[in-house]
Order: sequence, then C-alpha cells, then structure tokens
Amino acid sequence: DTEVTQTPKHLVMGMTNKKSLKCEQHMGHRAMYWYKQKAKKPPELMFVYSYEKLSINESVPSRFSPECPNSSLLNLHLHALQPEDSALYLCASSQLFRPWGDYEQYFGPGTRLTVT
Amino acid sequence: GQQVMQIPQYQHVQEGEDFTTYCNSSTTLSNIQWYKQRPGGHPVFLIQLVKSGEVKKQKRLTFQFGEAKKNSSLHITATQTTDVGTYFCAAQTGTASKLTFGTGTRLQVTL
Repeated sequence: DTEVTQTPKHLVMGMTNKKSLKCEQHMGHRAMYWYKQKAKKPPELMFVYSYEKLSINESVPSRFSPECPNSSLLNLHLHALQPEDSALYLCASSQLFRPWGDYEQYFGPGTRLTVT
Repeated sequence: GQQVMQIPQYQHVQEGEDFTTYCNSSTTLSNIQWYKQRPGGHPVFLIQLVKSGEVKKQKRLTFQFGEAKKNSSLHITATQTTDVGTYFCAAQTGTASKLTFGTGTRLQVTL
C-alpha cells in the first residue's frame, strides 16, 4: 500500500473556528511532512516530523499547530486562520528524513482549505 | 531563501511534439528529484538523480543531471495528452536542511 490519505478533502472555515486536518500512511515511513500550496505555485514546506518528533518548523505562524500522535498519523490543528491561509494543504511521507532530501516523498491528495 | 528556478514557466505543445524543462541552481546540489502534478492532483515522484552527468530514462521521459550538479533537465519525447501537468524539480539547496521545490513548468498538450 503506497497510499497517503488525507481528510477532509475540502474544508471551509471561519476565522474564529478551530479545525484539524488529518493524514495517515501505512507504509512504515518514519518521516511525515506538511506542505502548503497556493494556486500555480510549488509546494512550500511547513513542518517535518522524523520518528514522531518535530524536526523542522519553517517559521510557520502559531495558528498552525502540528501533531504526530504515532508513526502513521499526522494532524494539523488550525485556529484563528486568516483568508490568506486559504490553500491546498498537502501531507507527505518518506521512508526516512535526511536534510539533503534524498528519500522520495509520497504525497496525499491534499485538503483544499478556504478561510472566510 | 535559495530558489531552484525552472524554465519555461509554461509550455503549450501539439501532441507528438517534444518538450523539455530545465532546472537551475546557483549552488551545487547533492541530488535532485522530479515530480509531476496533474491538474487538481498532488505531486507524484518520478525520479531521483544523484551522480554528476547522470542520465535516466523512463519510457518517453529522459532525465539528466548536469556535470557540475547545478542543473537538471527533463525531456519528453512525442508528448501525449496524458503528459499534461506541472513538472517540479526538487532539491536541497544551500544550507537549507530540506527539499525545496522548483518554480515548476506547466505543460499543456493539445491534439
């Protein structure tokens, strides 16, 4: 099974709401990632978890809070978002994480988030 | 931060024509990956290049890593409508401890 699943597929939330995005993989990968992608732009890395520990936080605002409950699951908790946070949020996993990025990443289908 | 630039940004070809996208970095890259993202889809890994001057082929796709490991190219022979999408290179650049995606080349193929 080489699939990364994400829920929900679409999410519309107000600026005062609290919501969570979920990501799951059953490939035994020990690295998981959150990316943000705006239309016609490349994915931008937000967070990297390696062995369930946060390894990289790309100076992401605290209104985004990641969580890795176990090696298969990755959550992104959202609170007090701004309209400019509307984007496609992609989860990815790889066998391991190394800073020079030599493990292929498997991406989930993404959650399309709209903040109103 | 450091960017990996791709050219062209967009290319529109007739089916059967060839297509090439180029990825350029100002610094030496330890390795480079290529991904394809279909419209409305998510990035899918295509290949990784590691060695200087490396050339790899996947059916109609040919990937090349420059001798100086500062650039890479993806060439598609005889494009088909199934090749439509955005092609991204991705590499660890400079001192960043992560993979950075290039700016992407969007390919449109018409009959």
